Formats: sequence, structure tokens, C-alpha cells
Amino acid sequence: AQSVTQLDSQVPVFEEAPVELRCNYSSSVSVYLFWYVQYPNQGLQLLLKYLSGSTLVESINGFEAEFNKSQTSFHLRKPSVHISDTAEYFCAVSEKTGANNLFFGTGTRLTVIP
Amino acid sequence: EAGVAQSPRYKIIEKRQSVAFWCNPISGHATLYWYQQILGQGPKLLIQFQNNGVVDDSQLPKDRFSAERLKGVDSTLKIQPAKLEDSAVYLCASSLSSGGYNEQFFGPGTRLTVL
Repeated sequence: AQSVTQLDSQVPVFEEAPVELRCNYSSSVSVYLFWYVQYPNQGLQLLLKYLSGSTLVESINGFEAEFNKSQTSFHLRKPSVHISDTAEYFCAVSEKTGANNLFFGTGTRLTVIP
Repeated sequence: EAGVAQSPRYKIIEKRQSVAFWCNPISGHATLYWYQQILGQGPKLLIQFQNNGVVDDSQLPKDRFSAERLKGVDSTLKIQPAKLEDSAVYLCASSLSSGGYNEQFFGPGTRLTVL
């Protein structure tokens, strides 16, 4: 069985400050890892994913996440946030074998304060 | 490229009534998913189709929920009869094929309120 824990339900941060959104997972098999973002009144969009290779993955809008196998974590970071980053962020995992069912965390609402 | 389409966007019904949601996936995507997202929680998979066959419906409450994907394209999700706890956003997603590495593309969702 898989599970995903997002420790912070809400994260307020001032504009241009750094931010880290935490994600821990548990699984009995190897997994792929994802961060999805949901902007207000929009659908879920893939932000970045880890499949294999380099443990540090980046998105086009400055976010990055690092896969840490020993700590079973996949924290999301950005060195300087913008107002437009205000959204709900979901961490998700899927097994490398079998059907690619996504298991989502409960989400972290990031609010960027001007 | 058109995204995943869903309708209606909002629906309000009384408990014990029935409701149906429609989803049109991205053209060429063989795999289609229905998720339920209750307020304050992450999306939870209800059912996964590969073409017009069911791959996983282990989390679908089959006494009241049903889903079909005729001809391996559009899909409908039905609830009959609805309960108060069915109030949620119902998300449809599609991907090129099954396999955990495939990106899932999500529709805007249907927000269901059961009174």
C-alpha cells in the first residue's frame, strides 16, 4: 500500500522569499514521484516529476524537487516566490509496476503575500 | 491540442437523486481516469479505463456509482442514488497509456453539491 503525507496544509510566504513544501511517502515498491499544481478555478497541472536518473528535477517556472530515497521524501522548493505562485500543490506517487494509479497527498495551499 | 473536457462544471441535487457526469479525454489517449476530490483532501481514484475496458475499479462504491467508456473515447460517471457524502469535485484525467511514468492530464472537474 502507498501513502503520501504533506505535513503543511497551508504555507503563507512573502513575495520574493524562499519556500519549501514538504512531501513524504511510503511504499513497498519503487515509485515515480510527481508534484501537481492547482491554480484557483483551474484543473490540476503537472509541475514536475521524478522518474529516474538525477534526483534533482526542475520545472520551467523555477520550482525544483529532490528525491531522497533514504528519507522517502520529495520536497518542493523555490528560492524566490511570485504572487502568481499562489495555488494548491499536491504531491503524488505511482508504482513503477502495475497500473499507474496516482496516490495523492492532501495538498498544501501556498499563499504568496505581497 | 484540446484538453480534457468535462460537463457540467457545477451540479446541485437533492439526496437520493441521480446525476451523471461526462468526460471527453484528449484525442488519442487510451487511458481514462475518474477521481473524487472531497474538500480538504487530495484526489482519490475511483476507476481507470484502458480503452473501453476497466483496469481498476476497486475504490468505486459499486452499489451507487457506475461508469462506462463506450467505444474507448468519451466516458460517463453516474451516481444513483446520491448521498450527502458524495459532495465533491469529480475529476476526469487521461494519459497516452497506462504505466506510472505517463503524465495524466486533468479536466477542470465537476463540482457536485448534494443537499
